[in-house]
Order: sequence, then C-alpha cells, then structure tokens
Amino acid sequence: SQKIEQNSEALNIQEGKTATLTCNYTNYSPAYLQWYRQDPGRGPVFLLLIRENEKEKRKERLKVTFDTTLKQSLFHITASQPADSATYLCAPGGFSGNTPLVFGKGTRLSVIA
Amino acid sequence: ETGVTQTPRHLVMGMTNKKSLKCEQHLGHNAMYWYKQSAKKPLELMFVYSLEERVENNSVPSRFSPECPNSSHLFLHLHTLQPEDSALYLCASSHDRQGWQPQHFGDGTRLSIL
Repeated sequence: SQKIEQNSEALNIQEGKTATLTCNYTNYSPAYLQWYRQDPGRGPVFLLLIRENEKEKRKERLKVTFDTTLKQSLFHITASQPADSATYLCAPGGFSGNTPLVFGKGTRLSVIA
Repeated sequence: ETGVTQTPRHLVMGMTNKKSLKCEQHLGHNAMYWYKQSAKKPLELMFVYSLEERVENNSVPSRFSPECPNSSHLFLHLHTLQPEDSALYLCASSHDRQGWQPQHFGDGTRLSIL
C-alpha cells in the first residue's frame, strides 16, 4: 500500500539557519508533490507544487526538490524566522487520473530566536 | 481571508444528537472536499464532490452524510456519532478535481463527541 513518511514529528532549529524537511514515499510513483503549511487551529495553506520532471522549485525563501529515484522530496526554508514555525505537510499525487492527494502526517518546525 | 469559510468553528454534541457542518467557498471552484484530521494521524479524505456530484466516498461510515446543493456550498450531516469521531473536520476546494490543483482549506470545525 502507499506510504508517506515525513522525517520527524518535530524539528527545532536556530533562527537564521536553513531548515530541511524530508518527505519519503514508497510503493508508488507520484507525478507531482505538493507542500502545505498548517498553523495551530487553522487549515493547511498551499505553498508549492513540484512535478516529476522538475528537479527543483523555488519561491522566495522556500526551495523544494523532487528525486524520483530516491522517492524523496526535500523542503528547505533558508534564513529561517520564528514566524516560519508551523507544521509542514507533504502530499504526493497524480498516480492515475484524478486520484486525490494523499497527505503525510507532517513535521512540526520550531524556529528558536 | 481564506476564501473557504466553515461554520461552526467548534461543536460539542452527544452521541444521539444530529448536527450539520457547513462549508462555503467564494473562489469559483468546481471541486470540494471533506477531510478528517485526528491527532498524530494524517489528513483522511472523506468525500469529494465535483460539479455538485459525489465522486469519492472513502469507506466513511453512514453516520456521516454529505450534501452539496450547489458548487459553493458543502454540508456534512452528522448523526449518532461515536467518541472516536472527535476530530478537526476540514473542508477544501480546488478549481477542479485534477489532483495537481492546489487545495484551499477552511479553518475547520473542531468536533467533540461526549
């Protein structure tokens, strides 16, 4: 069955450093992968989409990579700030037709000032 | 302003009650979704509607009954729920149901079953 693993439940880093979150998937080959941010008591907010033919995607301080050989996506936040503290969800999709997204459990990032 | 509004934000109900959750989107989207989010578990897709027609029903118990009267509104009718149904219920919409389309979420209804 399809399985998604996000590297850890929680990640603490110092302000100004680069945060790197990992999303691994097994038993399927998604055509794309989405990343979302979720703050406590709020719904997820879409951040980035990367397709299988794209190695890297950037948006301001965010960078996502997609390695279909390793079956892994990395999500980087450079020059992290306390306001980046949130839970980040990865969601691979596109296995066939209109198959809906499947979400990982998320990684809770805390950026310490 | 997320564009997707859910009401109520919090709901406490007994196991024998009947209540409804409401979702409204003002984004002109054609696909709408209900998800369940429990602690320490990933988002679980419950139902998908496309152009007001239900296209996915992921083995959800019949005590949850969705309704989509038009493309802007989605309801989740609840009756005789169990304590394990306590969770955050999220509504989302997307332009259409192609999976790569980003989903826009509401802030959810926190449901507690006594």
